Amino acid sequence: QIQLVQSGPELKKPGETVKISCKASGYTFTNYGMNWVKQAPGKGLKWMGWINTNTGEPTYAEEFKGRFAFSLETSASTAYLQINNLKNEDTATYFCARYGGYYLDYWGQGTTLTVSS
Amino acid sequence: QIVLTQSPAIMSASLGERVTMTCTASSSVSSSYLHWYQQKPGSSPKLWIYSTSNLASGVPARFSGSGSGTSYSLTISSMEAEDAATYYCHQYHRSPFTFGSGTKLEIK
Repeated sequence: QIQLVQSGPELKKPGETVKISCKASGYTFTNYGMNWVKQAPGKGLKWMGWINTNTGEPTYAEEFKGRFAFSLETSASTAYLQINNLKNEDTATYFCARYGGYYLDYWGQGTTLTVSS
Repeated sequence: QIVLTQSPAIMSASLGERVTMTCTASSSVSSSYLHWYQQKPGSSPKLWIYSTSNLASGVPARFSGSGSGTSYSLTISSMEAEDAATYYCHQYHRSPFTFGSGTKLEIK
């Protein structure tokens, strides 16, 4: 069965770097794009961008240009989200979600990131 | 960017009641690329209705979706306890692929 399994919760200090993983199984990884979605505590969903798993080309929403980076380890069917120079407002749950053609059909369980001094 | 406005933000319904929530886009969205997700506290969102009116696998038939252009809606024909959740509309028509702010549905 198709699964996206994300890495565990993270506690970081402002200015540090975090790298969140999303391991896919049950399908051919390079056939479907991978999206990233942010959900701040008590807030709604915010689309961050996506990465073409075939070419490795990332696309970022405007708000997420600069400190955010999507990457791949194709041999391990894994996508990564790296956030540099962490700020308090990065505290959120981050989801990876597969683009199934038209919509996001499978989601990871979410990774909770807490940024606090 | 396309802004999706959901209303109401919060609503409550009695068991058995008919429920309708709306999603209004700031510019036209192809119906093929307008979707709804259900999210319960502590869980990831689940694809619920795709391409305006198609129920995702396992979604009860009491749910339906409709709309076109800038106006879309999700309807529950008869509210059940398990339907209490937050519902988000989402457009994958034009980047950035925005979400609505959600409608939180509670049991009255």
